[in-house]
Amino acid sequence: QSVLTQPPSVSAAPGQKVTISCSGSNSNIGNNFVSWYQQFPGTAPRIVIYDNNKRPSGIADRFSGSKSGTSATLAITGLQTGDEAEYYCGAWDDSLSGKYVFGTGTKVTVL
Amino acid sequence: EVQLVESGGGLVQPGGSLRLSCAASGFTFSNSAMTWVRQAPGKGLEWVSDISGSGAKIYYADSVKGRFTISRDNSKNSLYLQMNSLRAEDTAVYYCTKGWLQLNFWGQGTLITVSS
Repeated sequence: QSVLTQPPSVSAAPGQKVTISCSGSNSNIGNNFVSWYQQFPGTAPRIVIYDNNKRPSGIADRFSGSKSGTSATLAITGLQTGDEAEYYCGAWDDSLSGKYVFGTGTKVTVL
Repeated sequence: EVQLVESGGGLVQPGGSLRLSCAASGFTFSNSAMTWVRQAPGKGLEWVSDISGSGAKIYYADSVKGRFTISRDNSKNSLYLQMNSLRAEDTAVYYCTKGWLQLNFWGQGTLITVSS
């Protein structure tokens, strides 16, 4: 059902860097801004990146986003145990009547 | 401080109806598009519907079109989701979110369970 494709999981040791890819199409990522959401088990998601690469107030600068063509990437540097969570990308999709689409989700594990 | 508080969740039989509410505070509600997102147990996020600040523009996911109705009352700073003809696959936590192209703030969610 998800239109945006993410790897199921990524992992790295504390202090290292992880990147999460999000692959879409011209109707979503290719033509619209991408956001990234972080979700801890049993809690509501929160936005960590919007407009491809902007961080909301309160989000550490260890989180960064980028976009190229129909793909986007979330990078987390200086990985901490508190970053262990599920991450979703999201973007508006212009196809048909319009809709917001989420990625399949990526579990980040800190080894 | 932005706050979004959902209510109205619970257990409902297949074919039944339920109305969710979301009380918003901490921002100019009438200026903000609002979105409902749901998450089935153990699954990913699924966009359900959104509505512009004035209520003039509304969008629905194909999975709920014709069964769910989103609305808002700007005088009460409240967002609603009327859910009819509920199915087992509608079982999920439903989140009220602020925004449209980016979902800036999320409520804590309310659980809807559709089961006989």
